[in-house]
Amino acid sequence: QQQVKQSPQSLIVQKGGIPIINCAYENTAFDYFPWYQQFPGKGPALLIAIRPDVSEKKEGRFTISFNKSAKQFSLHIMDSQPGDSATYFCAASKGTYKYIFGTGTRLKVLA
Amino acid sequence: DAGVIQSPRHEVTEMGQEVTLRCKPISGHNSLFWYRQTMMRGLELLIYFNNNVPIDDSGMPEDRFSAKMPNASFSTLKIQPSEPRDSAVYFCASSLALAGGLKDTQYFGPGTRLTVL
Repeated sequence: QQQVKQSPQSLIVQKGGIPIINCAYENTAFDYFPWYQQFPGKGPALLIAIRPDVSEKKEGRFTISFNKSAKQFSLHIMDSQPGDSATYFCAASKGTYKYIFGTGTRLKVLA
Repeated sequence: DAGVIQSPRHEVTEMGQEVTLRCKPISGHNSLFWYRQTMMRGLELLIYFNNNVPIDDSGMPEDRFSAKMPNASFSTLKIQPSEPRDSAVYFCASSLALAGGLKDTQYFGPGTRLTVL
């Protein structure tokens, strides 16, 4: 019940495409859902986060869609660029600190 | 701010040796985390400190692993004796835990890539 399931494992899109990464959870007590972006050789960095009281959040080209009833949330990257090529992790937490991370999605945006 | 600083960035050691990984959190942050990242298990929380006190060490895999935070600006993760299955990237992260249960961003360091031969 503590797991966060992330898909797909890898994704290749053309520049300008809209890659979508999906995550699903079981624990309805989770109340914070961040997405992290990790470049090779670097630590993960917070990209965008959402709470379950909203269904969508946008920050620049990145959008989180949240479906509380389905216990799913997804990351959309609008007008994707080669510089967006990275590994993306979703996470969920209950409380202030313990993140349960998804297994990651390796995104490659072709020029 | 320099961000979270970790050292060494790479460590290669032989099975049975002691390994010490170091972390300097962001100044002013009161929470520190150690994570392990592997292909098989992804990102796993090993231990969480708040105000230099270990709060949750349930992720520490076994007694060979120990972590300390002697002051607000320094933490170590020690593995003794090391084994090949400990090979992974170890991340330190810090955050400013706010009162009232408000969410706080965890800032990750660049990681230490550990290889145990």
